[in-house]
Amino acid sequence: SQQGEEDPQALSIQEGENATMNCSYKTSINNLQWYRQNSGRGLVHLILIRSNEREKHSGRLRVTLDTSKKSSSLLITASRAADTASYFCATDANTGGTSYGKLTFGQGTILTVHP
Amino acid sequence: DTGVSQNPRHKITKRGQNVTFRCDPISEHNRLYWYRQTLGQGPEFLTYFQNEAQLEKSRLLSDRFSAERPKGSFSTLEIQRTEQGDSAMYLCASSPPPTTGELFFGEGSRLTVL
Repeated sequence: SQQGEEDPQALSIQEGENATMNCSYKTSINNLQWYRQNSGRGLVHLILIRSNEREKHSGRLRVTLDTSKKSSSLLITASRAADTASYFCATDANTGGTSYGKLTFGQGTILTVHP
Repeated sequence: DTGVSQNPRHKITKRGQNVTFRCDPISEHNRLYWYRQTLGQGPEFLTYFQNEAQLEKSRLLSDRFSAERPKGSFSTLEIQRTEQGDSAMYLCASSPPPTTGELFFGEGSRLTVL
């Protein structure tokens, strides 16, 4: 079963605008990750944030994590048409120690960036 | 450095037939994972290997499914007596030692059961 709920399910914006996607989850986590998937392709890892971190940046990506609310957000700034894809949050619930990669994915947000 | 390779990329089969998918992980990645993704959903964990040992199996992996990773290199996922509900994208991923938690996914094998 899916742990994460993502919001919105679909997002349509113009090039240059910012895109914000939200993810909520149910259990305690070791880390939370965001992945991107182009239609019919595999997933590409974007960013990982650990449970003791609150914010992380990578290029045009900014991720926040609020463990008290069990929620995360992904912000893509200055979006480009090439950012058009599905974006998934995934949680690693192995709080006992080292992450071993069993992830629980949300249903994803479909982002469309119009040129 | 090549990525995770999956074959075949597409497979169309009739209900009741057996199918096998192969995954070649990134070399020196000791962990290998299989996930299943149905249309409009996120991937769901199926099973995980560390080297040749299969350490965890999801209850989604019914008796008709079997995964192997002989010699801790490539892995195969076999589905016996396929059903229409098996139609999905089967994704393989790997991760290196020591793991950061990040998974490296292949392009997937899409199964269509008629």
